Amino acid sequence: DVKVTQSSRYLVKRTGEKVFLECVQDMDHENMFWYRQDPGLGLRLIYFSYDVKMKEKGDIPEGYSVSREKKERFSLILESASTNQTSMYLCASSLRPRGLPWEQYFGPGTRLTVT
Amino acid sequence: ELKVEQNPLFLSMQEGKNYTIYCNYSTTSDRLYWYRQDPGKSLESLFVLLSNGAVKQEGRLMASLDTKARLSTLHITAAVHDLSATYFCAVDDYGGSQGNLIFGKGTKLSVKP
Repeated sequence: DVKVTQSSRYLVKRTGEKVFLECVQDMDHENMFWYRQDPGLGLRLIYFSYDVKMKEKGDIPEGYSVSREKKERFSLILESASTNQTSMYLCASSLRPRGLPWEQYFGPGTRLTVT
Repeated sequence: ELKVEQNPLFLSMQEGKNYTIYCNYSTTSDRLYWYRQDPGKSLESLFVLLSNGAVKQEGRLMASLDTKARLSTLHITAAVHDLSATYFCAVDDYGGSQGNLIFGKGTKLSVKP
């Protein structure tokens, strides 16, 4: 079974703090993704990575950065947390080759509250 | 721009009834995915449909794919309360970066006694 784990289920941070969200997958997937989910807005892609040290911006990258130093680990960084970044953050991973399904496997999510 | 539209977005139904959720998409993708999300939880994969005419069933849920119509349906038979959740469909974004999925907004299903 594919397993995607996230470092925290719940996190409370203060405005201006630097926040690290960690995601680890154990299936040797090439692609990893970070989404945020807010009521009424569905899933919005923040960043994704298709290889070590590679990253691409998604739909809402502002205020975020990412790091992928190892294939199994993908980190989301909030450089200076703000209250509008209070949200549920979901990490996912998938295969990349075009001939294979791109089914994404999701982690349990991190509910971040910025006060 | 690739779009994935689900309808309805909200569905309240009684136990024992049947209903269908629709997922329309605007690209020529031949692969479609259905996910379930319980309140406060993450997304769980339900079905992976990989070709035109594909049909998959799990319990009271059945999903099908018509790539010519660019339409997938998720049919619920004799609904029970345990099916209350939000259901998302997603398609491969062949026009974008390899491996991306485009998600619909989700259909929030509430099954009442």
